Amino acid sequence: NAGVTQTPKFQVLKTGQSMTLQCAQDMNHNSMYWYRQDPGMGLRLIYYSASEGTTDKGEVPNGYNVSRLNKREFSLRLESAAPSQTSVYFCASSEHGAGLTYEQYFGPGTRLTVT
Amino acid sequence: DAKTTQPNSMESNEEEPVHLPCNHSTISGTDYIHWYRQLPSQGPEYVIHGLTSNVNNRMASLAIAEDRKSSTLILHRATLRDAAVYYCILRVANAGGTSYGKLTFGQGTILTVHP
Repeated sequence: NAGVTQTPKFQVLKTGQSMTLQCAQDMNHNSMYWYRQDPGMGLRLIYYSASEGTTDKGEVPNGYNVSRLNKREFSLRLESAAPSQTSVYFCASSEHGAGLTYEQYFGPGTRLTVT
Repeated sequence: DAKTTQPNSMESNEEEPVHLPCNHSTISGTDYIHWYRQLPSQGPEYVIHGLTSNVNNRMASLAIAEDRKSSTLILHRATLRDAAVYYCILRVANAGGTSYGKLTFGQGTILTVHP
């Protein structure tokens, strides 16, 4: 099992450009998440999808959109990148239900720089 | 949401036990206590979680105070590989008892392990 995969690993954008970060999981998890981590800080939740077909805003959703394409894939789109969106982006997935740990499995991250 | 407070940093020597404290004085009765750690340049990984009773797994032990206002993550014999940022997180359950998977990360404790 690959777990959670993210593409690309690194990206440099100019202000105003758009891009989509891709995330896929092969653990058949219902829930998926997008976080950002700024230098020296903890992770902040951008958006999450509790199950296929649903998405909800997290703590810092402004400037982002998401798509839960199917159970495996959850993408994050920056429509008009700004320097404040320079960060490391992590995707995660988890299963939920009675008796489960809700453990989140994280991908390796995408390092995004906006100039 | 209930918040957690952790020391910014701690140091340990290799093969010695490490006790990482966490205060969560506003914890509600159904909040689970989760610990994650983040190795350098990687996504976070689950360590352990608990509700009321102390918990053990292959990675660590979790000691929860009787009033649940604090907890301690115990690494029984620190290794150099345990050098990481450790996050203490409260996973919120809603009023109906169905837990959400969302996690709110603080800044965590940077653990340095000396050879």
